[in-house]
Amino acid sequence: EDQVTQSPEALRLQEGESSSLNCSYTVSGLRGLFWYRQDPGKGPEFLFTLYSAGEEKEKERLKATLTKKESFLHITAPKPEDSATYLCAVQGGYGGSQGNLIFGKGTKLSVKP
Amino acid sequence: ETGVTQTPRHLVMGMTNKKSLKCEQHLGHNAMYWYKQSAKKPLELMFVYSLEERVENNSVPSRFSPECPNSSHLFLHLHTLQPEDSALYLCASSQRGVTRGYTFGSGTRLTVV
Repeated sequence: EDQVTQSPEALRLQEGESSSLNCSYTVSGLRGLFWYRQDPGKGPEFLFTLYSAGEEKEKERLKATLTKKESFLHITAPKPEDSATYLCAVQGGYGGSQGNLIFGKGTKLSVKP
Repeated sequence: ETGVTQTPRHLVMGMTNKKSLKCEQHLGHNAMYWYKQSAKKPLELMFVYSLEERVENNSVPSRFSPECPNSSHLFLHLHTLQPEDSALYLCASSQRGVTRGYTFGSGTRLTVV
């Protein structure tokens, strides 16, 4: 069964304090791993897609990396506006989750000034 | 108007009411989805419509009934709901067969009283 586990559940940082969020996954035939940002009361907003181990993507203070078992979302020198819940999802082959996105529970990030 | 639009944004209904959630996408995608998001739980896939074919999660109660009249519109009909059905209901769309992230709407916050 395809599965995604995110840690920690919640993370509190001071402004400028860099850290990483973890996403561990089990999937039959990974087609893509996705990171989303979700603000309270809103739908998830797409950040990155990673397709194969060793791949990295960057956007402003965020950098996503991928191995065969997990992905990390590194946040460098975060600002209060980076506060949100970060969701990880995987898309497997059509024999497993039928190609649909399977999500983790998310990591709620709070950045204090 | 672009993206995925959901209406209403907020809905309060009694357990004996019948209501419908609406979703519209302007992205030219060929698949649409309903997700349920409850506190402390991963996004739960409820229904998928892909190329006019419906794929559903067998654990979804029959009090939830989807309708997809065309590739741009998706409805979720609700009747005799329970308080535990209170959640954020998210609609998403994608291009099936292409490994890209889904585009989500802002969601409908449903409260069952």
